[in-house]
Amino acid sequence: QKEVEQNSGPLSVPEGAIASLNCTYSDRGSQSFFWYRQYSGKSPELIMSIYSNGDKEDGRFTAQLNKASQYVSLLIRDSQPSDSATYLCAVIGSGNTGKLIFGQGTTLQVKP
Amino acid sequence: DAGVIQSPRHEVTEMGQEVTLRCKPISGHDYLFWYRQTMMRGLELLIYFNNNVPIDDSGMPEDRFSAKMPNASFSTLKIQPSEPRDSAVYFCASSWRRNEQFFGPGTRLTVL
Repeated sequence: QKEVEQNSGPLSVPEGAIASLNCTYSDRGSQSFFWYRQYSGKSPELIMSIYSNGDKEDGRFTAQLNKASQYVSLLIRDSQPSDSATYLCAVIGSGNTGKLIFGQGTTLQVKP
Repeated sequence: DAGVIQSPRHEVTEMGQEVTLRCKPISGHDYLFWYRQTMMRGLELLIYFNNNVPIDDSGMPEDRFSAKMPNASFSTLKIQPSEPRDSAVYFCASSWRRNEQFFGPGTRLTVL
């Protein structure tokens, strides 16, 4: 079992729809969770961080964390073609070393 | 404030040659990370430093790879001798304490 798992996609949604990206992790003691966006040929860009159970909203983005289910999600409302990218889920494990464990990423395609 | 700076942005070399990648972290950050990204293996952590001291080099693939951080504003990743399977994008990232990591633009390495 991989430490951080994501569906590789592609996930295709129409413009204006809600895109839902999901991630599960194996280390139950993990405390810090991040979503990065990576455009083709570019570096990962941090878009959200979440540390406690529940929802965290930032503009069109909402991160959701459920530690009991070991599940993190990212919702993108009013999806735009410019949101088309690979979204990487990353977790800092229970050792709290600062070391990020990345999932393989989900490719999102937003169709005009 | 400038972000993480990496050089060179592109490197093409021949098998057997020495390759040196450079990174300047964000000023004030005390953690520095070196990653490698390929289509097959995704984003892999190679090594990370805290306050210029290597903490975990378990991701360094072979003895051909070495990394140094002589001061808080500079790090190098060296491959000697290089092989075609080392072709990848190499990212440097930095963070303050164990918080969010910020990535540099990457170095695209091609070994012929």
